[in-house]
Amino acid sequence: DAGVIQSPRHEVTEMGQEVTLRCKPISGHDYLFWYRQTMMRGLELLIYFNNNVPIDDSGMPEDRFSAKMPNASFSTLKIQPSEPRDSAVYFCASSLFRGGGETQYFGPGTRLLVL
Amino acid sequence: QKEVEQNSGPLSVPEGAIASLNCTYSDRGSQSFFWYRQYSGKSPELIMSIYSNGDKEDGRFTAQLNKASQYVSLLIRDSQPSDSATYLCAVEKGAQKLVFGQGTRLTINP
Repeated sequence: DAGVIQSPRHEVTEMGQEVTLRCKPISGHDYLFWYRQTMMRGLELLIYFNNNVPIDDSGMPEDRFSAKMPNASFSTLKIQPSEPRDSAVYFCASSLFRGGGETQYFGPGTRLLVL
Repeated sequence: QKEVEQNSGPLSVPEGAIASLNCTYSDRGSQSFFWYRQYSGKSPELIMSIYSNGDKEDGRFTAQLNKASQYVSLLIRDSQPSDSATYLCAVEKGAQKLVFGQGTRLTINP
């Protein structure tokens, strides 16, 4: 399997612009997670989906952030409008539920810089 | 109090020695615990999971769990320079949701 695929790998944009991050989970996995990692706050869960349905979006920082999962093989995280404080590495991860305690497999991440 | 706490380090250990990484958590109801390793500029990868009190060994790695003390640790025996990375402790908070600690940066000195 190719693993979790994320695009783009790097994104540089200007404040106020819309940013869309993309993720393709491992085939057959039923959970998908979006994380953000910064030096100050560490690795934070933003939102996660089960069978394409959002389960918990309590980590989404504000209304500028939105996430969708239109089908089992694709998810997007959108920031509109972007701000410099959104600069971070955004990871997508997926897992397959087997009863609890499953491994989450992380994608390579998208490094976002908002100028 | 943070939900998952780790000493951020850096922790410096000579090659061949035992590296000991520690983590405490606040939710007594947590059942699943994980150690992820993250090399600089890379994504986290799972190295150990533990669910029951006691020790779990996998090669040079041993995870230890004490639910009464709300304490998880990771021991790395015969440390190698390739073990130099940031180690993230994660606790499952129901329904697949993980809460991560800030991570401990480990450096193995040749």
